[in-house]
Amino acid sequence: DAGITQSPRHKVTETGTPVTLRCHQTENHRYMYWYRQDPGHGLRLIHYSYGVKDTDKGEVSDGYSVSRSKTEDFLLTLESATSSQTSVYFCAITRGGSTYEQYFGPGTRLTVT
Amino acid sequence: KNEVEQSPQNLTAQEGEFITINCSYSVGISALHWLQQHPGGGIVSLFMLSSGKKKHGRLIATINIQEKHSSLHITASHPRDSAVYICAVPGGGADGLTFGKGTHLIIQP
Repeated sequence: DAGITQSPRHKVTETGTPVTLRCHQTENHRYMYWYRQDPGHGLRLIHYSYGVKDTDKGEVSDGYSVSRSKTEDFLLTLESATSSQTSVYFCAITRGGSTYEQYFGPGTRLTVT
Repeated sequence: KNEVEQSPQNLTAQEGEFITINCSYSVGISALHWLQQHPGGGIVSLFMLSSGKKKHGRLIATINIQEKHSSLHITASHPRDSAVYICAVPGGGADGLTFGKGTHLIIQP
């Protein structure tokens, strides 16, 4: 257990509503990531953070925004949810870059109807 | 962008068999990750390696940097090894990972 929690774990929402997913870590790791996992695509990077208030876009960032006001929390917001954003969302943390192990949260299953 | 290919996509084997899952990538890397995901479950890091071989219990991971290829082996496979095995390499920005699509392994008793 790498001390990562995600909330909510499951959510059903309607198209057009805003949704915020939270990732919380107790490890004080600098790097945090949001990925989405879809059948046929595998896991893909949405956004990442390399420190408080330092964030950047990943491969599939359209329709998503993030914020990191504290080391321990990384928020992913869907400004106006669409059905194509139905997915399982995983948060991950690492102490450094790619030469350090990544630890994954339990995931959030989001359904947009 | 690094392209990651895994094979096979699906594998069904009998308990006790030796299992091999392959991963190839297109751009040189500093480290490669092997991950495990049980049905409906979270993702667990199995190995991170940059050269040679690593062993953990019945799992062995090897990497050939020159050939841009890695393999994950499971010896004396067991039904509890049934899971999706995912290969991943750096390349997603600030060393976020780029993933293969996974190998769905089923070990039958």
